[in-house]
Amino acid sequence: GAVVSQHPSWVICKSGTSVKIECRSLDFQATTMFWYRQFPKQSLMLMATSNEGSKATYEQGVEKDKFLINHASLTLSTLTVTSAHPEDSSFYICSAIVPRRGLSYEQYFGPGTRLTVT
Amino acid sequence: RKEVEQDPGPFNVPEGATVAFNCTYSNSASQSFFWYRQDCRKEPKLLMSVYSSGNEDGRFTAQLNRASQYISLLIRDSKLSDSATYLCAVNRMDSSYKLIFGSGTRLLVRP
Repeated sequence: GAVVSQHPSWVICKSGTSVKIECRSLDFQATTMFWYRQFPKQSLMLMATSNEGSKATYEQGVEKDKFLINHASLTLSTLTVTSAHPEDSSFYICSAIVPRRGLSYEQYFGPGTRLTVT
Repeated sequence: RKEVEQDPGPFNVPEGATVAFNCTYSNSASQSFFWYRQDCRKEPKLLMSVYSSGNEDGRFTAQLNRASQYISLLIRDSKLSDSATYLCAVNRMDSSYKLIFGSGTRLLVRP
């Protein structure tokens, strides 16, 4: 498989502050990374697609000014949650895709960041 | 109808049992199918890709049934360590690599 790291693994912040989460591909280059959010007992919901060297594309209903994504290199994407609110508390997980046989891709996830906003 | 549906379970089985999960998908044009395993409070880990010809990896076998639009995962000789939530994922209509995840099937293997 491919290794994706994420930092920090957990963070507690106060309402109104900003939090930056880093996602790195350790043993491969990732032109495309994804950011997901998962609430308890729910499935993963894609928030945005992070593209190296270009703007991120956001899913419907996700505020791009609130969730800032930067993909400045082939191994690093960052998600900044700005002006965090308690309802932003969630498990944020990044992933990266690796091409496989044919035209298929496999997606590998980072270990996730548990954000708690107080 | 949800785009990807799974029975949430839990499936409670004894060690050594064989257990099977299904996952139905609504887009007949889907091309990429995967099974992931997710432990409590952890990230999903890729278990296996599901190819048209099926896929087997040790005790795990995945099958694709295009006619009925579902994928299956069979686990033989269940171990306690197999207890987890199993997520299926299917590529989205608008992308060959963006995935839609099911809500997962929880498996509990008891001694």
